[in-house]
Amino acid sequence: GENVEQHPSTLSVQEGDSAVIKCTYSDSASNYFPWYKQELGKGPQLIIDIRSNVGEKKDQRIAVTLNKTAKHFSLHITETQPEDSAVYFCAASKEGGSEKLVFGKGTKLTVNP
Amino acid sequence: DGGITQSPKYLFRKEGQNVTLSCEQNLNHDAMYWYRQDPGQGLRLIYYSQIVNDFQKGDIAEGYSVSREKKESFPLTVTSAQKNPTAFYLCASLNLPGYGVVFFGQGTRLTVV
Repeated sequence: GENVEQHPSTLSVQEGDSAVIKCTYSDSASNYFPWYKQELGKGPQLIIDIRSNVGEKKDQRIAVTLNKTAKHFSLHITETQPEDSAVYFCAASKEGGSEKLVFGKGTKLTVNP
Repeated sequence: DGGITQSPKYLFRKEGQNVTLSCEQNLNHDAMYWYRQDPGQGLRLIYYSQIVNDFQKGDIAEGYSVSREKKESFPLTVTSAQKNPTAFYLCASLNLPGYGVVFFGQGTRLTVV
């Protein structure tokens, strides 16, 4: 089955700096890669996603890149703000298949003012 | 507003007791999922259902049971056979066929006392 590894497990940056979180996946058939943000005591919320037919997607300060050959994808947050502090999860699934999302173990991002 | 409602938010259980967590969605989504979240473990799939009256085991189904009698409801029972039930439980849903966003509820924190 699919296995998703996520690094780093914790990340601390200064406000205004960039943050990068990396994930690798094992199943070459996976074709959908979402990123979720989870604030304390709440459910995860989708912040951006990418499908295997594109290599990069951007939404304001957030971008995701995908390298299908190397089977890894990354989340980039620029100009970080304290409200970006949260746990971020990457995931992978095969759309059109079983639709099961397999998650990485999460990255706790802290943005220091 | 459309969404997923989990109740209760906090639940306490005595050892040896069964307890049922509620999950209701009004998104008219076909698929529903239960995930368990432990610190440092990410989200692990317990059970999922893609159609009424049908469900499949996820990666950690032992000690849990589910039912899907209605499209909008997917309750999870944590049985006394689950040896370490204290965790944060998340319900999610997705419209099938895939190519859509998985939405999460706000979670139920279960504590065994």
